[in-house]
Amino acid sequence: AQSVTQPDIHITVSEGASLELRCNYSYGATPYLFWYVQSPGQGLQLLLKYFSGDTLVQGIKGFEAEFKRSQSSFNLRKPSVHWSDAAEYFCAVGARTNFGNEKLTFGTGTRLTIIP
Amino acid sequence: DSGVTQTPKHLITATGQRVTLRCSPRSGDLSVYWYQQSLDQGLQFLIQYYNGEERAKGNILERFSAQQFPDLHSELNLSSLELGDSALYFCASSVGLAGGTQFFGPGTRLTVL
Repeated sequence: AQSVTQPDIHITVSEGASLELRCNYSYGATPYLFWYVQSPGQGLQLLLKYFSGDTLVQGIKGFEAEFKRSQSSFNLRKPSVHWSDAAEYFCAVGARTNFGNEKLTFGTGTRLTIIP
Repeated sequence: DSGVTQTPKHLITATGQRVTLRCSPRSGDLSVYWYQQSLDQGLQFLIQYYNGEERAKGNILERFSAQQFPDLHSELNLSSLELGDSALYFCASSVGLAGGTQFFGPGTRLTVL
């Protein structure tokens, strides 16, 4: 079965500094990979996704992520964070089932705090 | 705004009761997914419906059931509620059966007292 590991429970970054959130997955085939962001009291918003092709994907709000098959990783990056980026970030893997449909398996999330 | 709507936003009820959560998918989306987010279990997939038919089940308790109606809206029924069922319940929708992006609703926060 597929799984996702986000090793960092909480990260604190200064505003304007760069950010990297780690995500490792376990899946037998080529996965579909996603990063979602959840602001307090809000739903999940899709930041970016990887299905195939270019392993460096660009998302909204200036985020990017790189799929590295050899490391089973899909780390999220941003060159300069803004105070509004403070939120919880979830990495997810989409896995096909035997019936051709798909479910998302989420990591435990990384809470991002921004300090002035 | 993802285009997925969920009602109610908050629900407070007592143990042993039954509640119904409602979800309207984005226009044109045929798949509806239900997820539960709790402090101890994280975000977990519960069940998927596609065009009215159940297509996948995850960690859904037997006390929980769902359905998708002809107009594609979905309801998640939770019965014999326990304290541990307190959680945020998300609905997501996507265009097809698989391979597409799932767009999430704002969630329903259920509190069982």
